[in-house]
Amino acid sequence: NAGVMQNPRHLVRRRGQEARLRCSPMKGHSHVYWYRQLPEEGLKFMVYLQKENIIDESGMPKERFSAEFPKEGPSILRIQQVVRGDSAAYFCASSPPGTGTDTQYFGPGTRLTVL
Amino acid sequence: SQQGEEDPQALSIQEGENATMNCSYKTSINNLQWYRQNSGRGLVHLILIRSNEREKHSGRLRVTLDTSKKSSSLLITASRAADTASYFCATLSSGNTPLVFGKGTRLSVIA
Repeated sequence: NAGVMQNPRHLVRRRGQEARLRCSPMKGHSHVYWYRQLPEEGLKFMVYLQKENIIDESGMPKERFSAEFPKEGPSILRIQQVVRGDSAAYFCASSPPGTGTDTQYFGPGTRLTVL
Repeated sequence: SQQGEEDPQALSIQEGENATMNCSYKTSINNLQWYRQNSGRGLVHLILIRSNEREKHSGRLRVTLDTSKKSSSLLITASRAADTASYFCATLSSGNTPLVFGKGTRLSVIA
């Protein structure tokens, strides 16, 4: 059973370009969380999605950032018109369906560098 | 908002010594979890302790939880150079909610 997969592992963009980060949850998992880690910081929650629904996006900037988790395919975190401050490691985590799930399984992360 | 706060921010010890890291949080929780992160890598889940538990062991790891003080500690016994990493506590208020992470403790174990 493969773990959570993220790609690309490293992404370099110039200011103003778009960044698309992909997360494939573990098989059978229907909950996906995205977190961002700035250098020398802990992870900060961005958005929580279930299949085709955004459940909580309170940690995601209102502008330039969007996330989706379609019925088929991976979850996508999209950052439009990237700025240097977007440089960070972006982690996704997944958990199985059902209430009361308290274990999240993390992917290896995508390290975004904005030049 | 950042709930967990680890203490100390950085810790340097000799191989074979014990390492203790502390975590404080602000609101009620369902459980508290500790993770390890090697430099530039992903997170590795170490141990989870529920709000009705006071102490838990896993190998060389010992975690305590004091809900009255809203604090937890992680003890690594007989440390090894391979334990060098950043350690984060994360709290969960209820199932299917986001984890709230602290800023981490950077542990260096010198051989």
